Amino acid sequence: AQSVTQLDSQVPVFEEAPVELRCNYSSSVSVYLFWYVQYPNQGLQLLLKYLSGSTLVKGINGFEAEFNKSQTSFHLRKPSVHISDTAEYFCAVRNRGGTSYGKLTFGQGTILTVHP
Amino acid sequence: DTEVTQTPKHLVMGMTNKKSLKCEQHMGHRAMYWYKQKAKKPPELMFVYSYEKLSINESVPSRFSPECPNSSLLNLHLHALQPEDSALYLCASSQDLAGIGTEAFFGQGTRLTVV
Repeated sequence: AQSVTQLDSQVPVFEEAPVELRCNYSSSVSVYLFWYVQYPNQGLQLLLKYLSGSTLVKGINGFEAEFNKSQTSFHLRKPSVHISDTAEYFCAVRNRGGTSYGKLTFGQGTILTVHP
Repeated sequence: DTEVTQTPKHLVMGMTNKKSLKCEQHMGHRAMYWYKQKAKKPPELMFVYSYEKLSINESVPSRFSPECPNSSLLNLHLHALQPEDSALYLCASSQDLAGIGTEAFFGQGTRLTVV
């Protein structure tokens, strides 16, 4: 089975500062990796995805993430945050095969709060 | 159209009621999912349908009964629920369970309150 660990439950940051939200995963097979954002009382919106190829992936709203296979990490970064980035962010993993095939598993979430 | 539409947005039901949640997508996706999300928790997978067949049931109690009448629709039938079943229920779809079409698109959710 796969699992996801988001290392920070809350990240406070000032507007226009850079931010990194950390995500580590565990799986016995190759994986697909995703970051989603959730605003209060709403569904999840896909920020970016790693399926294959280049390990640096760019997403919407200026976010990017880097897949590091040796460290089994997929950290999310933004060079300059805005107040509107305040939300909860979820890292998710899906196995490419083997057991748990088809399951999309989420980390515990990181609440990003951007202060003026 | 990249929308997954869920109805109703809010639902209050008694423990003896029977109700249904509906989910619809018109992206031609062949995999559809139900997730349950409690406050301040991540979404938890309940069911996965692939090509209109139930592929995964995460040991969900029988008071939750999923149905996939066709490739665009996914229902969740609710019966004899408990107050602890109150949560945000999220529907999602993806082109497939693997490959380049594996990203899941989520609906806005149904906020369910069991009284």
